[in-house]
Amino acid sequence: LAKITQPISMDSYEGQEVNITCSHNNIATNDYITWYQQFPSQGPRFIIQGYKTKVTNEVASLFIPADRKSSTLSLPRVSLSDTAVYYCLVGDFEMDSNYQLIWGAGTKLIIKP
Amino acid sequence: KAGVTQTPRYLIKTRGQQVTLSCSPISGHRSVSWYQQTPGQGLQFLFEYFSETQRNKGNFPGRFSGRQFSNSRSEMNVSTLELGDSALYLCASRKGIGTGRLYGYTFGSGTRLTVV
Repeated sequence: LAKITQPISMDSYEGQEVNITCSHNNIATNDYITWYQQFPSQGPRFIIQGYKTKVTNEVASLFIPADRKSSTLSLPRVSLSDTAVYYCLVGDFEMDSNYQLIWGAGTKLIIKP
Repeated sequence: KAGVTQTPRYLIKTRGQQVTLSCSPISGHRSVSWYQQTPGQGLQFLFEYFSETQRNKGNFPGRFSGRQFSNSRSEMNVSTLELGDSALYLCASRKGIGTGRLYGYTFGSGTRLTVV
């Protein structure tokens, strides 16, 4: 199973671009990479998902190199409301029984004014 | 559409008691998973139910159990509570196995359990 490593915490300032990298050396062929955002006292919320190369949506971009052993979540022009914990998740939601999705420990992102 | 609903939001129990937590998934979602979240351990997978059958199980003792009803609503039960069971318990639903990878889970806001 993939082991996931991501930074424990990061600081940045409003208006900056923030990049959070997740390492997943043992990612399997069918695994996707998914990022979630969590605010205090709430459940995690889906941000973005990808398999390879680059994926972009209205809130973030996800960069995945060819070897897929890492991925980088990019948040453009962050604001104070982006202060949250960001989780990297590796796995295949299509898989049937006895398969557990692998969660990173989360990166606490603090945005300063 | 309504999101994942967990009840109650907060709960205080005494060591040795048992507790039942409830989760109503998004309409049309047939898979429900439960997670335990603590500051020191992060998100720990408990179990997943699909069509009333437990499909996956994490590494938790038998004191932690769950079930799913025909309407996809799920409950989890913890018996003989210990102080270390204090945590945020999260429920997450998805359409189900074989219905697509996109988006994965939708989480509820959780039940904050405090064992004293």
